[in-house]
Amino acid sequence: DTEVTQTPKHLVMGMTNKKSLKCEQHMGHRAMYWYKQKAKKPPELMFVYSYEKLSINESVPSRFSPECPNSSLLNLHLHALQPEDSALYLCASSQVNLIVTDTQYFGPGTRLTVL
Amino acid sequence: ELKVEQNPLFLSMQEGKNYTIYCNYSTTSDRLYWYRQDPGKSLESLFVLLSNGAVKQEGRLMASLDTKARLSTLHITAAVHDLSATYFCAVDRGSTLGRLYFGRGTQLTVWP
Repeated sequence: DTEVTQTPKHLVMGMTNKKSLKCEQHMGHRAMYWYKQKAKKPPELMFVYSYEKLSINESVPSRFSPECPNSSLLNLHLHALQPEDSALYLCASSQVNLIVTDTQYFGPGTRLTVL
Repeated sequence: ELKVEQNPLFLSMQEGKNYTIYCNYSTTSDRLYWYRQDPGKSLESLFVLLSNGAVKQEGRLMASLDTKARLSTLHITAAVHDLSATYFCAVDRGSTLGRLYFGRGTQLTVWP
């Protein structure tokens, strides 16, 4: 089973709201990722967790706050977003062998609209 | 920084025809991936290529890797409408955990 699930599928929020995106995988992967994708662009890496520890933060604004409660779950907490943050947010996971990661499997994404 | 260039960015082809998408990258890489993305959907893993001369095939798609030329190709044979999608190549350097460098994507449209 190579399934990564994400909730919600769609999210509309105002600039003063606080919301969270959730991602789950049960493939035993120990690396999990958040990407942001704008229309007709490739995904942009935001965060990487390896063994539940944040290993990469791509200088993402603090209004995005990741959390990895356990090896199967990854959250992205959103607060005081801007309209330009509207995008498709993708979660991915992969195996890790020492420091080398394997194929990343992507979830279906959350389509976020910030009003 | 590792740069990945794909071309063409847009490809419109008739059913039954063959074509190749090219992916060049700027520095040594450990792995090269091809992903497919349908409009509004997520990325689906197609191939991972690990070594020089690697060739993988799935249906009408065949991917190859030349690490000396830093070039991968995705060849489409006898295209069908269902292959219409955006195709991304992505490269990782192995030494930087989890970081994939994506090409800009090739938007493929197959028409009857």
